[in-house]
Amino acid sequence: DSGVTQTPKHLITATGQRVTLRCSPRSGDLSVYWYQQSLDQGLQFLIQYYNGEERAKGNILERFSAQQFPDLHSELNLSSLELGDSALYFCASSVLGSGELFFGEGSRLTVL
Amino acid sequence: GIQVEQSPPDLILQEGANSTLRCNFSDSVNNLQWFHQNPWGQLINLFYIPSGTKQNGRLSATTVATERYSLLYISSSQTTDSGVYFCAANEKLTFGTGTRLTIIP
Repeated sequence: DSGVTQTPKHLITATGQRVTLRCSPRSGDLSVYWYQQSLDQGLQFLIQYYNGEERAKGNILERFSAQQFPDLHSELNLSSLELGDSALYFCASSVLGSGELFFGEGSRLTVL
Repeated sequence: GIQVEQSPPDLILQEGANSTLRCNFSDSVNNLQWFHQNPWGQLINLFYIPSGTKQNGRLSATTVATERYSLLYISSSQTTDSGVYFCAANEKLTFGTGTRLTIIP
């Protein structure tokens, strides 16, 4: 158990819908990262937050947004969902903005 | 950005065999991690190893930062070692495409 908690574990929804994925980092970790793992793109970095502030952006679509709350948990919002958004979404956390990252078990999103 | 390449892409071994997985990266790194993704999709931390050598049981890893590569050694393979092994580099973790390891009983 990495100490990073993600919910929900599985989610099935329809095209055009909006979903929210939630992540609680390890106790004491200030930085949260989001990754997408799809069959054709592999594991890709989406976005990083550090102590509530956006720190870095990767290949995140405009239809996706995220935030980190004062209690340090984070949410990834995916809207106007398309079939191609079906993927495993991981959250990771680290103590500072660098160093070793620890991953949650992922949220598997299926868009039908 | 940095490019991370892993080899071989696939590896099939008999239980008890040893293996070496390689990770090449295109630029200097300040973070290098190895992960095992099990059949259930979980990403399990194996090593945080931006340089040097570490060992954990049957697994060990070496990163030669000056030559831009890292190696993961698995000895006396067990069926539970099956899965995909990823290396990932730098602060926001650029992942390689992985090595799929299958251990046959």
